[in-house]
Amino acid sequence: GAVVSQHPSRVICKSGTSVKIECRSLDFQATTMFWYRQFPKQSLMLMATSNEGSKATYEQGVEKDKFLINHASLTLSTLTVTSAHPEDSSFYICSARDPQGAFEAFFGQGTRLTVV
Amino acid sequence: SQQGEEDPQALSIQEGENATMNCSYKTSINNLQWYRQNSGRGLVHLILIRSNEREKHSGRLRVTLDCSKKSSCLLITASRAADTASYFCATDPGGYQKVTFGIGTKLQVIP
Repeated sequence: GAVVSQHPSRVICKSGTSVKIECRSLDFQATTMFWYRQFPKQSLMLMATSNEGSKATYEQGVEKDKFLINHASLTLSTLTVTSAHPEDSSFYICSARDPQGAFEAFFGQGTRLTVV
Repeated sequence: SQQGEEDPQALSIQEGENATMNCSYKTSINNLQWYRQNSGRGLVHLILIRSNEREKHSGRLRVTLDCSKKSSCLLITASRAADTASYFCATDPGGYQKVTFGIGTKLQVIP
């Protein structure tokens, strides 16, 4: 089946620095990818929809200048957390749809971000 | 919000018993997926059931889907301590729309 790869799986960074998370669709091309965030003991909430070749669409309450999304190719979307603060510590996960067949959504394994 | 709701939010059972979790949702779907998440870890995909399917099995897992009632049920038979985790349902409307996660059921299996 289709595979979505996310890297890194865990990252620790200092306050004020930026962190980039990559999401790749390994065996299909994805014009649309989704980024989710999960705070401790909560469900996953959609942050933004990443569109290849155009600007991302952000959900209400998500700061687009803080969470930069780039979808430069049909197999890669990146999420950059800029000027990270401890409250940005969370679990981030991406998803991509395989346009072939049933157009199902597949999820990466997630990135655990800890800002110290 | 399309967000689904799992019921119960927390479940504690003895090893060997069956665990049943329900997911209700509000809008039409193309498919529904169940995921497991161990504490502090990533998502593990369990089962995907499509809107034209009523039941699906995978090992000790059984998922049912009733689109008329907009609900799905995950049954884990003969539970093990290793099944202790949070379980989420995710509803997929299809097309380019987003997948929406439920609030999850936290399952504890006591050895």
